[in-house]
Amino acid sequence: QQQVKQSPQSLIVQKGGIPIINCAYENTAFDYFPWYQQFPGKGPALLIAIRPDVSEKKEGRFTISFNKSAKQFSLHIMDSQPGDSATYFCAASIIPGSARQLTFGSGTQLTVLP
Amino acid sequence: AAGVIQSPRHLIKEKRETATLKCYPIPRHDTVYWYQQGPGQDPQFLISFYEKMQSDKGSIPDRFSAQQFSDYHSELNMSSLELGDSALYFCASSLAGVYNEQFFGPGTRLTVL
Repeated sequence: QQQVKQSPQSLIVQKGGIPIINCAYENTAFDYFPWYQQFPGKGPALLIAIRPDVSEKKEGRFTISFNKSAKQFSLHIMDSQPGDSATYFCAASIIPGSARQLTFGSGTQLTVLP
Repeated sequence: AAGVIQSPRHLIKEKRETATLKCYPIPRHDTVYWYQQGPGQDPQFLISFYEKMQSDKGSIPDRFSAQQFSDYHSELNMSSLELGDSALYFCASSLAGVYNEQFFGPGTRLTVL
């Protein structure tokens, strides 16, 4: 049972396009929502993260939109480049004990065509 | 800047053998996490340690155990390996704190034949 549902599974856009990746969650205890970028054979790297008291956060070409009532959040990549081609994971996080635990979505494979 | 170091990067084992994966966190990071990522899957949380004490357990099989040592490095011990254990194993580290970022290592690719 996927606690964080991510769509689409794959996405192809032209250079300069604006890919949008969506995630939804059920557990209202989640209080931190990061997005990770992963290249083949590498570990995930944090792109941008948002807390539920904020509806939007922008860092460079990456924007997270967050809808707390709908329990949904999305990643927009402005002016996408071929170098953005990677797998993107949304995640949601709580601290059940003394360390934060990440629950990942199933991932979106993004291809940006030159 | 120093990153999370994992060794070995690749490991091939036979069924029923044991494997030990090592993780060296970023200096001064006090929290270590282990994740398992199957082919085409998302990373699944296995276990975490804070200040050398186990803090949380996820979907870690009983055949696996882990610990964090006095120098904060961590080891994931896997016994009675099964074909389904073939995966990428990531270690991540962070500073304790409510929203501190987890930095992931490059992973160890374990293949069980």
